[in-house]
Amino acid sequence: TQLLEQSPQFLSIQEGENLTVYCNSSSVFSSLQWYRQEPGEGPVLLVTVVTGGEVKKLKRLTFQFGDARKDSSLHITAAQPGDTGLYLCAGVGNSGYALNFGKGTSLLVTP
Amino acid sequence: DSGVTQTPKHLITATGQRVTLRCSPRSGDLSVYWYQQSLDQGLQFLIQYYNGEERAKGNILERFSAQQFPDLHSELNLSSLELGDSALYFCASSRSSGRINEQFFGPGTRLTVL
Repeated sequence: TQLLEQSPQFLSIQEGENLTVYCNSSSVFSSLQWYRQEPGEGPVLLVTVVTGGEVKKLKRLTFQFGDARKDSSLHITAAQPGDTGLYLCAGVGNSGYALNFGKGTSLLVTP
Repeated sequence: DSGVTQTPKHLITATGQRVTLRCSPRSGDLSVYWYQQSLDQGLQFLIQYYNGEERAKGNILERFSAQQFPDLHSELNLSSLELGDSALYFCASSRSSGRINEQFFGPGTRLTVL
């Protein structure tokens, strides 16, 4: 199993602040996906990054895939209460089948 | 709405019992995946089916089994239930496997074993 470590595990910030969460592994992934999950619901796909060094933007969210395709980061600019949730990274390994999920970063944005 | 449906939403049962969880994938998706999510373990891959055939196995216990039917819906069977099986069970679907393999998750079934 290719392990993904996410940090920080918990993050509590105020509305308007910026933040970055990290997803690291010693393994190389074919691609990496970021999901957001709200309590009691299924994860929702935010973005997929495929190429080493790739940067993708989704409104105030910026995703980056490491050059070696072993790590990724998610940066949120001017966080809003609606950004609250569990952010999960998941890697597609060489088999191309199941996703290996990190344990997530639980984000709380207070007004 | 991801287009993936799961039933039931909640399930409460006793130790030693057997339950069946059901999943219907998004229209056109041939792959179905089952995941278990608990507080201490996070999201763990259990098993994948592609067009009716088992494609990959993860951390699935021998007490658990799954199948995918000709209409592509899938069922996850959990037997001889233990307290530790209490968790959220998610089904996900995708068009195909491969390098990108974007998966879309259902709302989950919360299983409570008493």
